[in-house]
Amino acid sequence: DIQMTQSPSSLSASVGDRVTITCRASQSISNYLNWYQQKPGKAPKLLIYAASSLQSGVPSRFSGSGSGTDFTLTISSLQPEDFATYYCQQSYNTPRTFGPGTKVDTK
Amino acid sequence: QVQLQESGPGLVKPSETLSLTCTVSGGSISSYYWSWIRQPPGKGLEWIAFINDDGGANYNPSLKSRLTISVDTSKSQFSLKLTSVTAADTAVYYCARGSFSSGFYLDYWGQGTLVTVSS
Repeated sequence: DIQMTQSPSSLSASVGDRVTITCRASQSISNYLNWYQQKPGKAPKLLIYAASSLQSGVPSRFSGSGSGTDFTLTISSLQPEDFATYYCQQSYNTPRTFGPGTKVDTK
Repeated sequence: QVQLQESGPGLVKPSETLSLTCTVSGGSISSYYWSWIRQPPGKGLEWIAFINDDGGANYNPSLKSRLTISVDTSKSQFSLKLTSVTAADTAVYYCARGSFSSGFYLDYWGQGTLVTVSS
């Protein structure tokens, strides 16, 4: 199985901050990397697919980059509704493993 | 707007079979990959399996020996059966729509249903 790691596991930030979350795969996955946002008690929501493609309806302050084994999710200016947990997922092969998550809370 | 809704028992006894159904509305069940994902309380996400509209399935190897998924296109439903459950199978179970376009991603999700394994 491809193992996914994320750093940091949690971070504290303020509205307006630039936030960067890193995801690393245990082997090369090309650009087969998705990002999801999950709020407490809710289902995950797709933000980014194929490493850098913004899902329809997702604000442009979210962006993704990377290829191979190292990927980044960036929130350019954190908004109140962005406090949540963020998961990466590799879609390169089975099982389609998720990272352990990064919780973004208020400073 | 595509909507997915999970249904099934919220409590299952150890060693029994967990059965869930997901009903899809607002869109076609064709040309997509219908997926199950679970999340133990307070923990991360685990991908379980997906199935397409002609029954082709792909399973998480860690669960494959206990798992069956099926699709009923006439009812716009797909289902999951997990046998010989233990407390480790207690989780919120989500169904989701998977698309293969520039990779595989889950773009619509159900609200999730908590299944507790306990006697």
